[in-house]
Amino acid sequence: EAQVTQNPRYLITVTGKKLTVTCSQNMNHEYMSWYRQDPGLGLRQIYYSMNVEVTDKGDVPEGYKVSRKEKRNFPLILESPSPNQTSLYFCASSSPGLYNEQFFGPGTRLTVL
Amino acid sequence: KQEVTQIPAALSVPEGENLVLNCSFTDSAIYNLQWFRQDPGKGLTSLLLIQSSQREQTSGRLNASLDKSSGRSTLYIAASQPGDSATYLCADFSGGYNKLIFGAGTRLAVHP
Repeated sequence: EAQVTQNPRYLITVTGKKLTVTCSQNMNHEYMSWYRQDPGLGLRQIYYSMNVEVTDKGDVPEGYKVSRKEKRNFPLILESPSPNQTSLYFCASSSPGLYNEQFFGPGTRLTVL
Repeated sequence: KQEVTQIPAALSVPEGENLVLNCSFTDSAIYNLQWFRQDPGKGLTSLLLIQSSQREQTSGRLNASLDKSSGRSTLYIAASQPGDSATYLCADFSGGYNKLIFGAGTRLAVHP
């Protein structure tokens, strides 16, 4: 089944404790992105990648890191999480050869205490 | 800078009604426009994608149209069912940043 998977789905952590949210897609898509969704602010892009080893900042990149060492994986790293990073996070992938139709993962609900 | 607006913000209808959700955008130079469904606390499910060169797309009871000249897209849902209750989001994929610009969504409730 074609899909985007994220892990963990739910995470409660404390300020300053490094964490990684994994994202993997099995559709051989070139493009991948991370978004966060917050009440009243909607969905905003954090980082994106157009291929292996090619990443760039989105609209709200502060406090986040990403890497793209393999085509299928695009982890989101929070080196020192803070309470304002409490949010619902989504990973998405697409292919320019398929009109860039975006496919989203199930989401990761992160709470930073 | 592209801005996407969805009206209404919330809608409550009885089962069986045909309904229209509206999406407007400020920059007509879009690449494609995608409609999503989101259930509470869940991920986004792609419903329809309309390429810039197309005027409409259909999938089952759903029909999405695109009018770039007026900066509008509509999602038509025929014969609504309680299972259609969800938030519907439209998003413009534009620019070279692999970025979707989302509207705030329309929260739909279909009651029996």
